[in-house]
Amino acid sequence: KAGVTQTPRYLIKTRGQQVTLSCSPISGHRSVSWYQQTPGQGLQFLFEYFSETQRNKGNFPGRFSGRQFSNSRSEMNVSTLELGDSALYLCASSLNGQAFYGYTFGSGTRLTVV
Amino acid sequence: DAKTTQPPSMDCAEGRAANLPCNHSTISGNEYVYWYRQIHSQGPQYIIHGLKNNETNEMASLIITEDRKSSTLILPHATLRDTAVYYCIVESTGANSKLTFGKGITLSVRP
Repeated sequence: KAGVTQTPRYLIKTRGQQVTLSCSPISGHRSVSWYQQTPGQGLQFLFEYFSETQRNKGNFPGRFSGRQFSNSRSEMNVSTLELGDSALYLCASSLNGQAFYGYTFGSGTRLTVV
Repeated sequence: DAKTTQPPSMDCAEGRAANLPCNHSTISGNEYVYWYRQIHSQGPQYIIHGLKNNETNEMASLIITEDRKSSTLILPHATLRDTAVYYCIVESTGANSKLTFGKGITLSVRP
């Protein structure tokens, strides 16, 4: 079966711009979680969407937002980009969001803010 | 915050067993132990999980102590491709469960 697809793979943006990242989960999976990974902070949970609703949210400013569509594809948006937003953004697909059923991660989007 | 502690790094020789320890002294009765690994620049990959019994799959074995306060992930015959960061995660099974990653342990497999 197809894995988790994240697009684009690489992105370079300028401070102050906004960016939208996309994640297509495994077919049949209804939950998509987003993580930010930086060398200093490691993997940090951003938010989780299930059936088009945000069900869980990490400790990130409101500049970070997301949504999920009826086909379970998800997008995350970062507005007013800062240099510190440079990171690898990972999405994880799961059946229903419960850790018990396993998460499958995409390869990530590498965002560089200059 | 992560509920587990792992040493920062370890190494082992190719072909030998790699035993990766994890402490989770505050684990609750309904919390499982999960292991994921992340090979450089890729997304984390699920390895195995368990509640209290030892578990084995095609990738690894998970040994959980009887008091459940610690566990060991065993890669029986490590290869160079097993070089990665390994994350031990404790999490419940509720609808709001999510994976909280700590710093993990960097395993280096040497030829």
